[in-house]
Amino acid sequence: DAGITQSPRHKVTETGTPVTLRCHQTENHRYMYWYRQDPGHGLRLIHYSYGVKDTDKGEVSDGYSVSRSKTEDFLLTLESATSSQTSVYFCAISETLGQAWAPRGYTFGSGTRLTVV
Amino acid sequence: KNQVEQSPQSLIILEGKNCTLQCNYTVSPFSNLRWYKQDTGRGPVSLTIMTFSENTKSNGRYTATLDADTKQSSLHITASQLSDSASYICVVSGNTDKLIFGTGTRLQVFP
Repeated sequence: DAGITQSPRHKVTETGTPVTLRCHQTENHRYMYWYRQDPGHGLRLIHYSYGVKDTDKGEVSDGYSVSRSKTEDFLLTLESATSSQTSVYFCAISETLGQAWAPRGYTFGSGTRLTVV
Repeated sequence: KNQVEQSPQSLIILEGKNCTLQCNYTVSPFSNLRWYKQDTGRGPVSLTIMTFSENTKSNGRYTATLDADTKQSSLHITASQLSDSASYICVVSGNTDKLIFGTGTRLQVFP
């Protein structure tokens, strides 16, 4: 997706190991988000950022931490991966907080498929 | 509890046919509703946004409707194409900036 890149695209890891997913944007948008997508659930917000070093929790933040040291990069870390964290993770960016005034809505990355075995 | 429910869960149609996807929400107060298209292996892409005062909005072959009184929205796809095969996600916002996502409708278009 234009302007936003997630890495890696796929990862398999063992239970108990730390994992970091990276989101990189070239749009200079202030707001960045991490979501997870699971069958039977809508996308659920993990954490979001409203500026460099400014982050806040979403609805499913337990077991996850984030960092944003530069405008363009937002990292999601699973400190000790568990099988329940097997999911597809999406990063998103937006010009404004919320979708009302964002002309194109949120721009999502292509996702990272994480499998914890 | 604020919820967004979509129906049907999945739908199969033949190329060239029309279809309508439904979204019912209980989010209150209501601010706006956006439809996204998600191709397999990709992130969602916005199709259209509707605010409280809007009843209908079109984007090419996609037409979204909103009835804020009954808290229902629909997405109508005209003359479907193979490239319309995707999941369609309804996303609602209330008076906060929190987005509430539906679980989506998976559409498959066959030749």
